[in-house]
Amino acid sequence: DAGVTQSPTHLIKTRGQHVTLRCSPISGHKSVSWYQQVLGQGPQFIFQYYEKEERGRGNFPDRFSARQFPNYSSELNVNALLLGDSALYLCASSSLNPTGELFFGEGSRLTVL
Amino acid sequence: QKEVEQNSGPLSVPEGAIASLNCTYSDRGSQSFFWYRQYSGKSPELIMFIYSNGDKEDGRFTAQLNKASQYVSLLIRDSQPSDSATYLCAVRSIGGTSYGKLTFGQGTILTVHP
Repeated sequence: DAGVTQSPTHLIKTRGQHVTLRCSPISGHKSVSWYQQVLGQGPQFIFQYYEKEERGRGNFPDRFSARQFPNYSSELNVNALLLGDSALYLCASSSLNPTGELFFGEGSRLTVL
Repeated sequence: QKEVEQNSGPLSVPEGAIASLNCTYSDRGSQSFFWYRQYSGKSPELIMFIYSNGDKEDGRFTAQLNKASQYVSLLIRDSQPSDSATYLCAVRSIGGTSYGKLTFGQGTILTVHP
């Protein structure tokens, strides 16, 4: 079975630009979460979506938005990029079972110049 | 106080030794606890999860949970150079419907030297 797939794997943007990151969850998983990991730190929660509805939001500005599609794939959008948005963006899927196991994709590494 | 704190590293152990990684959390409502391993430049990989007090063993890995002390640990027996990585402790609290939210510690870098 395919794991969580993310695209693109690497991208470079300049300040002020917009970026869209994409994620396909593990087959059968209906929940997708997004995390930001800055170098040297643990991942920080951005959003969770389940059944196309936002179920959780972390402490990120409104420049960050996301959505989930009928096939459970998801997009993370970041507007007006800042240098500080440079990070590894991780998508995780789960079946929303009580144990809450999250399985991560390989991530999208964003560099903002 | 950080929500999830891990022992500061880096931690260096010789091959074959036991590596002990520690984590404390502040939210007493936390229900599930996870250990992820992250190799440099890669994404986190789930190693173990535990949600009951006591020990849980899986091969060379043992997770220990003490909810009264708000403490969770990971022991790696017979450490191998391939265990060298950053280990992330993550905690999930029951609250609302956001089962997907994990709160991570900052990670502990483990180096196993031959």
